[in-house]
Amino acid sequence: KAGVTQTPRYLIKTRGQQVTLSCSPISGHRSVSWYQQTPGQGLQFLFEYFSETQRNKGNFPGRFSGRQFSNSRSEMNVSTLELGDSALYLCASSLQGFTRAFFGQGTRLTVV
Amino acid sequence: AQTVTQSQPEMSVQEAETVTLSCTYDTSESDYYLFWYKQPPSRQMILVIRQEAYKQQNATENRFSVNFQKAAKSFSLKISDSQLGDAAMYFCAYRSGTQGGSEKLVFGKGTKLTVNP
Repeated sequence: KAGVTQTPRYLIKTRGQQVTLSCSPISGHRSVSWYQQTPGQGLQFLFEYFSETQRNKGNFPGRFSGRQFSNSRSEMNVSTLELGDSALYLCASSLQGFTRAFFGQGTRLTVV
Repeated sequence: AQTVTQSQPEMSVQEAETVTLSCTYDTSESDYYLFWYKQPPSRQMILVIRQEAYKQQNATENRFSVNFQKAAKSFSLKISDSQLGDAAMYFCAYRSGTQGGSEKLVFGKGTKLTVNP
């Protein structure tokens, strides 16, 4: 069974630009969560989608948004990039009721 | 809001020895789950062990075991017979059991474990 796939693995963007990251969950998993990991703040929850609906949201500005498609694939978008958005963005998928999250390898975003 | 605290930023252990990583958490909920995740240099988070709060018995997975003290809100990880491949960042995480099925995890800041040959 294929794991959680995140694309791209690495990304370099300029301040002010926008970026879209993609996450394909494990087949059958309908819950997808996104996390931002930085050396200073650690791992912080961005948002969670379940069956195309945002089920939970972290404390991030409106520049961070996401969506989920009918095949459970999810995208997150960051608009008007700031240097502080440089981070590893991790996606996790879960099978409802099994209380276990499977993580992708992350997308390393660098904003210059 | 729930918080998770890992008070040891770094730990080291000799190969084949035992090491214990500490974690405390704060919550007012009675239904929740606790996890230890491992993040090697490849950056992919790997589940090490899971504990349901309603279970009194401590979880065990091969060389990994936990000491879950619910009243003290403590959840430590013991690694026995440490191996070089155990070297990684270890994160303690909390998941509510009551937030409408949400899979949101709250993480501690992590403990970097070094295994010396």
